[in-house]
Amino acid sequence: NAGVTQTPKFRVLKTGQSMTLLCAQDMNHEYMYWYRQDPGMGLRLIHYSVGEGTTAKGEVPDGYNVSRLKKQNFLLGLESAAPSQTSVYFCASRYGYVNTEAFFGQGTRLTVV
Amino acid sequence: AQRVTQPEKLLSVFKGAPVELKCNYSYSGSPELFWYVQYSRQRLQLLLRHISRESIKGFTADLNKGETSFHLKKPFAQEEDSAMYYCALSQNRDDKIIFGKGTRLHILP
Repeated sequence: NAGVTQTPKFRVLKTGQSMTLLCAQDMNHEYMYWYRQDPGMGLRLIHYSVGEGTTAKGEVPDGYNVSRLKKQNFLLGLESAAPSQTSVYFCASRYGYVNTEAFFGQGTRLTVV
Repeated sequence: AQRVTQPEKLLSVFKGAPVELKCNYSYSGSPELFWYVQYSRQRLQLLLRHISRESIKGFTADLNKGETSFHLKKPFAQEEDSAMYYCALSQNRDDKIIFGKGTRLHILP
């Protein structure tokens, strides 16, 4: 049972490059989330999705785009990476919104130079 | 707007001493409160949720709506409790989960 899997685990980008982070879950969860974790800032919500084909902005959406074409996958894209996007990115999923547990991926450490 | 405040970035406690990690929240509806923990080199995982009123690994947390708090407590700290702890808020009929900035708990031998 894989749970929530993020790809890749590590990546170094040059400023201006683009990339896509993949989050895959095998628990048939409706809700999926992308967070970034920075020292002293905790976890901040970037974007989220409440079902296949839906996305919504979180607290810090600028510079990121997302897509949820399949229920099990939630993609986070950086069109033109900036050093300020250096962070650890976490994906999470949960079955619904009523007091349900969120399951997290192992994280993606992204460095933009 | 939803907000979760964890006032302590770092909390150092001696083994065997009581632990209290503070969490205050602001909300505009019915809150659902959680504590998540991240041990070294592991992914975040749920520790406990307010609606369950359970004790996990000796930790408890009581929702105080009057003080808008959800403090995490343990009577006797253990070295394996050293980790990053996040308080999280989700509102009824809302889809987002908002996290606090986290508190690093360091248990001293």
